[in-house]
Amino acid sequence: EIVLTQSPGTLSLSPGERATLSCRASQSVSSSYLAWYQQKPGQAPRLLIYGASSRATGIPDRFSGSGSGTDFTLTISRLEPEDFAVYYCQQYGSSPPVTFGQGTKLEIK
Amino acid sequence: QVQLQQSGPGLVKPSQTLSLTCAISGDSVSSNSAAWNWIRQSPSRGLEWLGRTYYRSKWYNDYAVSVKSRITINPDTSKNQFSLQLNSVTPEDTAVYYCARGLYHILKGIWFDPWGQGTLVTVSS
Repeated sequence: EIVLTQSPGTLSLSPGERATLSCRASQSVSSSYLAWYQQKPGQAPRLLIYGASSRATGIPDRFSGSGSGTDFTLTISRLEPEDFAVYYCQQYGSSPPVTFGQGTKLEIK
Repeated sequence: QVQLQQSGPGLVKPSQTLSLTCAISGDSVSSNSAAWNWIRQSPSRGLEWLGRTYYRSKWYNDYAVSVKSRITINPDTSKNQFSLQLNSVTPEDTAVYYCARGLYHILKGIWFDPWGQGTLVTVSS
């Protein structure tokens, strides 16, 4: 099973700042089989990025994804007030086919 | 625009069966390019993929090893929905359960979009 470790656990930043979230896999993730989600309290996760770097429909271009192999990054170039939430990475591989990271909470400083 | 609407009880007694349904609008449960998934979320286990059903000339199911002996996911083509049944539940199965459409691309893997609204299921007597 591929274990995804996200860091930091909590990130405290101010609106307008740049956020860099990390997702590290315990073994190499096939191709670019990594996605990112945003979750706000009381809501379902929302797809942001798939294929490591492709933005989902309707996602602002301040969100970008990068990485390959075992190291992936979600970058939010200039934080807006609505971006403060919990972010999860997810990989697709062998058995089990899908695993998620434990999440990074992005909070207002 | 694809939407998923979940329904089912929020309280289940230990040893009984958890049953949830996910109604699909804007897509088809028989789609040849999507898979229909159940995912749960709890403070202790985080986000946990449970299983999926999908149609590729015939119906297929995949289940997580952790629940494989207790889970069934079924499509209902007449109502364009799919269901989750989890047998012999314990308090450890208390979680928010989500249905989600899974999409696949050979170069990009699998991703989930959209998700249902979530159902908090509590296992308690």
